Amino acid sequence: QKEVEQNSGPLSVPEGAIASLNCTYSDRGSQSFFWYRQYSGKSPELIMSIYSNGDKEDGRFTAQLNKASQYVSLLIRDSQPSDSATYLCAVPVRGNTPLVFGKGTRLSVIA
Amino acid sequence: DGGITQSPKYLFRKEGQNVTLSCEQNLNHDAMYWYRQDPGQGLRLIYYSQIVNDFQKGDIAEGYSVSREKKESFPLTVTSAQKNPTAFYLCASKADGYTFGSGTRLTVV
Repeated sequence: QKEVEQNSGPLSVPEGAIASLNCTYSDRGSQSFFWYRQYSGKSPELIMSIYSNGDKEDGRFTAQLNKASQYVSLLIRDSQPSDSATYLCAVPVRGNTPLVFGKGTRLSVIA
Repeated sequence: DGGITQSPKYLFRKEGQNVTLSCEQNLNHDAMYWYRQDPGQGLRLIYYSQIVNDFQKGDIAEGYSVSREKKESFPLTVTSAQKNPTAFYLCASKADGYTFGSGTRLTVV
């Protein structure tokens, strides 16, 4: 099993819809989880972090964590064309070690 | 403005040549990281440093070297032993999650 796994996409949603991005991870002991957005040709930028089971909301973004299922997701409400980017999930899968990144899911929001 | 500065933005390397990528931060972060990104791929860890004068190999350290003589600086050298160096190189430092520099795009010519 890969350490951090994401569907590569592309995921296409119409403008105004909810985009749902998913990530699974291998280390049951992982304690922190991060979502990054990366526009084409640019560096990743942190958009959400989550540490506890449940939901965490920030504006149009909601991160959801289920440690029992080793699953973290990112919901984007009222999707906009400017949300079109690759979304990377990152987890420190071996204790207090550097983040391991998934390969990313490419999101396309269609106007 | 606090942040991470990577230079140059674009770099061209000839066969057999060593090149050094610069990474400077003024965020006062202890930990710094180098990742490599190939097209359509996620980020792979090359080297990281959690404190001055100490660094650790990541998953793909072969053909690369680093130094950490100052807290602010973590340069990466791509040596001639790295057979496929064309990639996007990203430097990061640790806060809540990581803060990335703008990256260096290296191409072999």
